[in-house]
Amino acid sequence: DAKTTQPPSMDCAEGRAANLPCNHSTISGNEYVYWYRQIHSQGPQYIIHGLKNNETNEMASLIITEDRKSSTLILPHATLRDTAVYYCIVRVWPGANNLFFGTGTRLTVIP
Amino acid sequence: DTAVSQTPKYLVTQMGNDKSIKCEQNLGHDTMYWYKQDSKKFLKIMFSYNNKELIINETVPNRFSPKSPDKAHLNLHINSLELGDSAVYFCASSPTLGTDTQYFGPGTRLTVL
Repeated sequence: DAKTTQPPSMDCAEGRAANLPCNHSTISGNEYVYWYRQIHSQGPQYIIHGLKNNETNEMASLIITEDRKSSTLILPHATLRDTAVYYCIVRVWPGANNLFFGTGTRLTVIP
Repeated sequence: DTAVSQTPKYLVTQMGNDKSIKCEQNLGHDTMYWYKQDSKKFLKIMFSYNNKELIINETVPNRFSPKSPDKAHLNLHINSLELGDSAVYFCASSPTLGTDTQYFGPGTRLTVL
């Protein structure tokens, strides 16, 4: 059961920041926000996750609103290789391991 | 070295046949999974194994039977294949049960004719 809402598609110019929004208005206190992406014909790839604080790693930054009802994944300098479908997932952790992938956002990085 | 590998990458077969998909991970993880991605690109969990024991079995027909000979392998056997079984099947693993990050294999595209 997907508990998130994402725009179906977005474009981003190469070298610019890609900001991918996600709404999760029914998120509960013990649920984390995860982001995965799937490049064409490949398996999903973990990007980042967070609970309530903003997070940053070598791939991306995750900004979570104070009320935790929405978040934004930021790819600071998008490249053509970032073209993929990006999935925002909420799940309890630790807890059940299954990930529920919704429809995601298809990000196209344009040269 | 491939962390999570699956074989075959493509599988084309007739209705009614029995087929298997193999998955191996060399990450030393305890937990492995099978996911199905249908034509609409929805990715759904099918099974989860932890140390060779079944943890999660979502609503999957009993024609699908996972087998874990050791914790590095989780194979998926499908009996009496149907047209609706056509999909991409992904294997994944994570360090332990409840660990945040899952690592996915490249997928097996199954086409049932």
